[in-house]
Amino acid sequence: EDQVTQSPEALRLQEGESSSLNCSYTVSGLRGLFWYRQDPGKGPEFLFTLYSAGEEKEKERLKATLTKKESFLHITAPKPEDSATYLCAVQPYGGATNKLIFGTGTLLAVQP
Amino acid sequence: KAGVTQTPRYLIKTRGQQVTLSCSPISGHRSVSWYQQTPGQGLQFLFEYFSETQRNKGNFPGRFSGRQFSNSRSEMNVSTLELGDSALYLCASSSGTSGRLIVDEQFFGPGTRLTVL
Repeated sequence: EDQVTQSPEALRLQEGESSSLNCSYTVSGLRGLFWYRQDPGKGPEFLFTLYSAGEEKEKERLKATLTKKESFLHITAPKPEDSATYLCAVQPYGGATNKLIFGTGTLLAVQP
Repeated sequence: KAGVTQTPRYLIKTRGQQVTLSCSPISGHRSVSWYQQTPGQGLQFLFEYFSETQRNKGNFPGRFSGRQFSNSRSEMNVSTLELGDSALYLCASSSGTSGRLIVDEQFFGPGTRLTVL
């Protein structure tokens, strides 16, 4: 069964303290892995799509990496405005469908 | 370019009632997917519509249904509401051109917060 597990469930950082969020996945065939950011009361905001092991993508203080079994979201020198829930999702192969399987997210709090 | 819009933003219903939620995708997008988000289960896929046809369906009871119109707008309906249906219902819009080697990026709306009393 296709499955996504994110860790830790919650993370508290001091401003400037770099860290990484983990997303482990089990899928029969990976079409793509997605990272989203979700602020309270809002819909998820698209961050990155990764397709194959070894791929990396960056955006401001965020860098996403992908291996055959997991993905990491590295946050460098975070700021309080980076506080949010970060969601990981996979899209398995399986016909023409956009179905995403989500992890339960990591709640990040960055304190000034 | 306008984003995904969902109406209403908030709803309060009582058990046994039915509800209809609406989603307008990004202009030019032909695929709309619906997800249910709860604190315990996270985001779970409900169904996906492409060109007015249901392309995929998640593991939800038949009380949950949807449709898509010719202008790509979509509605979902929940009949005979139960307390456990209280959730944030999210709509995601994409171009719909996903294939074996092409991943379709999906953009979410703000959601409809449904509370069942």
